[in-house]
Amino acid sequence: GEDVEQSLFLSVREGDSSVINCTYTDSSSTYLYWYKQEPGAGLQLLTYIFSNMDMKQDQRLTVLLNKKDKHLSLRIADTQTGDSAIYFCAESRVNTGNQFYFGTGTSLTVIP
Amino acid sequence: DAGVIQSPRHEVTEMGQEVTLRCKPISGHDYLFWYRQTMMRGLELLIYFNNNVPIDDSGMPEDRFSAKMPNASFSTLKIQPSEPRDSAVYFCASSLAGTLDTGELFFGEGSRLTVL
Repeated sequence: GEDVEQSLFLSVREGDSSVINCTYTDSSSTYLYWYKQEPGAGLQLLTYIFSNMDMKQDQRLTVLLNKKDKHLSLRIADTQTGDSAIYFCAESRVNTGNQFYFGTGTSLTVIP
Repeated sequence: DAGVIQSPRHEVTEMGQEVTLRCKPISGHDYLFWYRQTMMRGLELLIYFNNNVPIDDSGMPEDRFSAKMPNASFSTLKIQPSEPRDSAVYFCASSLAGTLDTGELFFGEGSRLTVL
């Protein structure tokens, strides 16, 4: 299909790990991205992964990429209330001039 | 740097009225994107410019929508006439060609449009 798919909602307790999942469509995508949107704000790039990598770790964030299944995940360790936001995965599709295609976003709620 | 600046932040208008949304990209950025965000459809790319030239407007919903970029520091998205289904948050984003691959899209805070 055409869509980058994500589950809409995730709720976790403070201190637990959060895992946000995404399936994308273009196997030739060079880069895949995670963006964060806080309430009333625009999106901000959180991290990205090059398609020849399986994993990328950046402090509390771990990105896993399964190219075979076209599955991307973002793990947030020790989730804090400040992590409450909408998280978007996105792919850059080579055959459309590297346009960015965003998923529907996953709304993460962290319960104190 | 002030970041991407959008105006107005909020607009409420009546069906049939013309709406103009404005964007000032980050100085030196050569790509500019207009996105629309709704609960139902998520984030949709409407149009993007490279060096002030529209590259792909296939995401523009219909002829009521038009976008211009008269110079490197200013872009507008116009809806005429507006309809209730146009109600959404419209985002402008800019980027440098050299960092486009690594996802460095810089978003404005968005313009929330409500059409009654």
